[in-house]
Amino acid sequence: NAGVMQNPRHLVRRRGQEARLRCSPMKGHSHVYWYRQLPEEGLKFMVYLQKENIIDESGMPKERFSAEFPKEGPSILRIQQVVRGDSAAYFCASSQTQGGAEELFFGSGTQLSVL
Amino acid sequence: EDQVTQSPEALRLQEGESSSLNCSYTVSGLRGLFWYRQDPGKGPEFLFTLYSAGEEKEKERLKATLTKKESFLHITAPKPEDSATYLCAGLSGGSNYKLTFGKGTLLTVNP
Repeated sequence: NAGVMQNPRHLVRRRGQEARLRCSPMKGHSHVYWYRQLPEEGLKFMVYLQKENIIDESGMPKERFSAEFPKEGPSILRIQQVVRGDSAAYFCASSQTQGGAEELFFGSGTQLSVL
Repeated sequence: EDQVTQSPEALRLQEGESSSLNCSYTVSGLRGLFWYRQDPGKGPEFLFTLYSAGEEKEKERLKATLTKKESFLHITAPKPEDSATYLCAGLSGGSNYKLTFGKGTLLTVNP
């Protein structure tokens, strides 16, 4: 049973470009959460999605960031017009049940570097 | 606003030298206090959940305890393979999914 898969592992973008981060949850999991880890900071909640629904996006920056979890395929975190401050590790987690904080499984993350 | 503070930021131990990591929290209506282990280049790996003051959980050389204000992760006779960053996170009563993480303690165990 494969774990949570994130790709790419490393992503380099120049300022102003778009970044797309992908997350495939564990088999049987339909709840996906994105967290961001800025340098020297703890992980911060960004968004919680179920298939075709955004449940809570209270941690997402208001501009340039969006997330989706389509009926088919991985969840996507999209960052438009990246800036240097977006450089961080982005982690995806999944769970089987709604609000399953007690059974979260994390992926290995995508390290985004903005030049 | 919920806050979780971990100390120390970094800890170096000799193999076999027991110690404790601290996690102080201010989390509204705490539903659970979580400990994770994070290895370099990897995501957090779940260790324990504690639900109420006085609770203790053990796993191999690790024991986690919880009071009303803080949690401790006790490491007994650590080995080099215990080297990792240990993360503490709180889950508030207002949510059953949104974790508030501390910055972590980087533990290095020298042989």
